[in-house]
Amino acid sequence: TQLLEQSPQFLSIQEGENLTVYCNSSSVFSSLQWYRQEPGEGPVLLVTVVTGGEVKKLKRLTFQFGDARKDSSLHITAAQPGDTGLYLCAGLQGAQKLVFGQGTRLTINP
Amino acid sequence: KAGVTQTPRYLIKTRGQQVTLSCSPISGHRSVSWYQQTPGQGLQFLFEYFSETQRNKGNFPGRFSGRQFSNSRSEMNVSTLELGDSALYLCASSVESGTSGAEQYFGPGTRLTVT
Repeated sequence: TQLLEQSPQFLSIQEGENLTVYCNSSSVFSSLQWYRQEPGEGPVLLVTVVTGGEVKKLKRLTFQFGDARKDSSLHITAAQPGDTGLYLCAGLQGAQKLVFGQGTRLTINP
Repeated sequence: KAGVTQTPRYLIKTRGQQVTLSCSPISGHRSVSWYQQTPGQGLQFLFEYFSETQRNKGNFPGRFSGRQFSNSRSEMNVSTLELGDSALYLCASSVESGTSGAEQYFGPGTRLTVT
């Protein structure tokens, strides 16, 4: 049983479109992180959200942590081909143990 | 500052053999975590070491073990390899960051193929 469910698992859209990726759980996490992973590389941390209801922006990326700290979303505005990659959400359980979602494989077509 | 390094990057082993993977964390980082990534299961936590002590452990059999040295470098060992152990093994290092959570920095991984 996956503690963190990501949806959609695959998403292919045209350059310039907007998209939202969801990360849901029945568990409460002390914090939640989003990573992006490209082929042949390890995941790279994009953002950490800690407070329920928190919203963080990173250029065209907007991250939101649910009020109950059980879910999160990633919204990309005007997607570009450089946004292509595997997006992973991860919840923190305990001091240093991350529980990852299955990931969303995003493809932005020029 | 140099990132997390993992060696080797690629490895092919035969069923029944054992393998040791190495991870050098970012300078100053004392926590090292290991993850297994497969297409079917995604990223799964193996274990975490801090100051040479294992602090957390995931749900993997005893064939998977690890250790950390005084310079924070870490190794993981898999004995009696099975076909299902084929995966990308990722190492991540972090500095204790209190309530902001474990901001972990990943290495490029070691791709292990068991034949």
